[in-house]
Amino acid sequence: NAGVTQTPKFQVLKTGQSMTLQCAQDMNHEYMSWYRQDPGMGLRLIHYSVGAGITDQGEVPNGYNVSRSTTEDFPLRLLSAAPSQTSVYFCASSFRGQPNTEAFFGQGTRLTVV
Amino acid sequence: GIQVEQSPPDLILQEGANSTLRCNFSDSVNNLQWFHQNPWGQLINLFYIPSGTKQNGRLSATTVATERYSLLYISSSQTTDSGVYFCAVERDNTGKLIFGQGTTLQVKP
Repeated sequence: NAGVTQTPKFQVLKTGQSMTLQCAQDMNHEYMSWYRQDPGMGLRLIHYSVGAGITDQGEVPNGYNVSRSTTEDFPLRLLSAAPSQTSVYFCASSFRGQPNTEAFFGQGTRLTVV
Repeated sequence: GIQVEQSPPDLILQEGANSTLRCNFSDSVNNLQWFHQNPWGQLINLFYIPSGTKQNGRLSATTVATERYSLLYISSSQTTDSGVYFCAVERDNTGKLIFGQGTTLQVKP
């Protein structure tokens, strides 16, 4: 049982390049979300999904796209990387319940845009 | 939107000391979690505690939902407790978490 798996762990991009951060979970969780963490700050929500085919914007969505074609996968796409997107990115998943259960996080992707 | 405030922002302890971290939130929530971010950046679940009290070894947590706060207690601290402690809340049934700014804990040997 791998939990939440993020790839890659580290990435350096040039300004203007695009890339996809991968996130996969094997717990059959309905909810998945992406956060970014900047130095000295808590995590901020980028995009989230409540199930396959359903996504919505979080607090800081600009410059990012997501899709959810399967329950297991929730990739985050950077369309045209900017230095302001240098950050650590975390993917999370949780099971829908009443109330919802705890969220589990991947190990993070450290992205540097030069 | 809902505000989540953690205090203190920084805390330095000698090994063996006890501490209390606080999380205040500005509106009702249906989920509250405490995380520990270790020096390698990994987020570790400590407690899922929308209300009540839970204990896990040297750590315990209490959430008083009606008064909109949660407390994390660390007893007999160890150097491995160092890192950042985050409180995160969920308002609706979407899995979206709103994080506080964290408390940075340093435990000295």
